[in-house]
Amino acid sequence: SQTIHQWPATLVQPVGSPLSLECTVEGTSNPNLYWYRQAAGRGLQLLFYSVGIGQISSEVPQNLSASRPQDRQFILSSKKLLLSDSGFYLCAWGQGDSNSPLHFGNGTRLTVT
Amino acid sequence: AQSVTQLGSHVSVSEGALVLLRCNYSSSVPPYLFWYVQYPNQGLQLLLKYTSAATLVKGINGFEAEFKKSETSFHLTKPSAHMSDAAEYFCAVSPTGFQKLVFGTGTRLLVSP
Repeated sequence: SQTIHQWPATLVQPVGSPLSLECTVEGTSNPNLYWYRQAAGRGLQLLFYSVGIGQISSEVPQNLSASRPQDRQFILSSKKLLLSDSGFYLCAWGQGDSNSPLHFGNGTRLTVT
Repeated sequence: AQSVTQLGSHVSVSEGALVLLRCNYSSSVPPYLFWYVQYPNQGLQLLLKYTSAATLVKGINGFEAEFKKSETSFHLTKPSAHMSDAAEYFCAVSPTGFQKLVFGTGTRLLVSP
């Protein structure tokens, strides 16, 4: 069966520090991969998605970037964190067409101080 | 662009009462619709999905949703609430042609004894 792993579960970082969140998927190949951010009271915002190695699409301009160095690995990064980057970050994977659901990791709670 | 609107950021019910969470979609073509549930500090879990096979969709944990094209709605219901149903619920739409979910802002369900 397929599983998705996200780490770390929680992270507290000072403003201006770098960020690296990692997500890996097991039990499937060539998945679509996604990074969502959930801010309090604002639902989920799609940040990035990827349909293959090295292929990244950005949904909103921001202080973050994403990379997909391997088929089942998706990384969210920042060179210098802002206070506004605080939130709950969720990685997801999917396969197939738009009628197929996404499957989510357990998320990373990021607090920028 | 396709979108969903969830009416009511908070819904409170008593244990054993009917649960009704509202979702309206905006789409120029028949959409694919999903309901997800999120427990505190966890990822999202798929409750059910509508993919045009049947207008009444049954999901996990006793939930179901009915697709009504005339009302552009996909409301989530459960006949009898349980304390364990307390969580945040998200409605989502997937644009045709590519697997990419657009989420509503969520509804927090509170269940009192």
